[in-house]
Amino acid sequence: DAKTTQPNSMESNEEEPVHLPCNHSTISGTDYIHWYRQLPSQGPEYVIHGLTSNVNNRMASLAIAEDRKSSTLILHRATLRDAAVYYCILGIDDKIIFGKGTRLHILP
Amino acid sequence: DAEITQSPRHKITETGRQVTLACHQTWNHNNMFWYRQDLGHGLRLIHYSYGVHDTNKGEVSDGYSVSRSNTEDLPLTLESAASSQTSVYFCASSESKSGQRGNTIYFGEGSWLTVV
Repeated sequence: DAKTTQPNSMESNEEEPVHLPCNHSTISGTDYIHWYRQLPSQGPEYVIHGLTSNVNNRMASLAIAEDRKSSTLILHRATLRDAAVYYCILGIDDKIIFGKGTRLHILP
Repeated sequence: DAEITQSPRHKITETGRQVTLACHQTWNHNNMFWYRQDLGHGLRLIHYSYGVHDTNKGEVSDGYSVSRSNTEDLPLTLESAASSQTSVYFCASSESKSGQRGNTIYFGEGSWLTVV
């Protein structure tokens, strides 16, 4: 299975943009890049996904490198409610395998 | 609204007992999954199913079993509960077989199981 690498933790100030990086150098041509997040004491929730082009939705933006070996999840204006563990995942055969993700701390 | 529900949300059981955690989804999704989450290990896939009567082993399937008799339900059974199975269990579902199309997975709120 293709692997992803994320920093263990990051900090950001409230109301500032946050850029969460993910490396996936062994990604195959048809693998979508998914981002999920897990708030404290909750199940993971979908954030965004993409294949080649940058993607935007109401929660975040996803910037995908031209060679697709890395991507960045962008939270445009972090709030305290965005404090969570963020998972970057490559969807393979629908049985999504989670890594350890990045724990995002938001400082008030 | 469609949803995915787990029960019980919290359970304490004794070593050696059989325990079943229920998972029910109303999206009519073909795919259903069970994960466990422990400190230091993140989410690990236990079993998954791509449809009725289909079941597959995940990363950590020993000591667990599932059965899929209809589209909506995928119960997880611990045949003989052990203290090492104390964990938080999450059920999930998604629409179709190919994750490569970017289908979203929806998770339940979790079942906290303590084996004493």
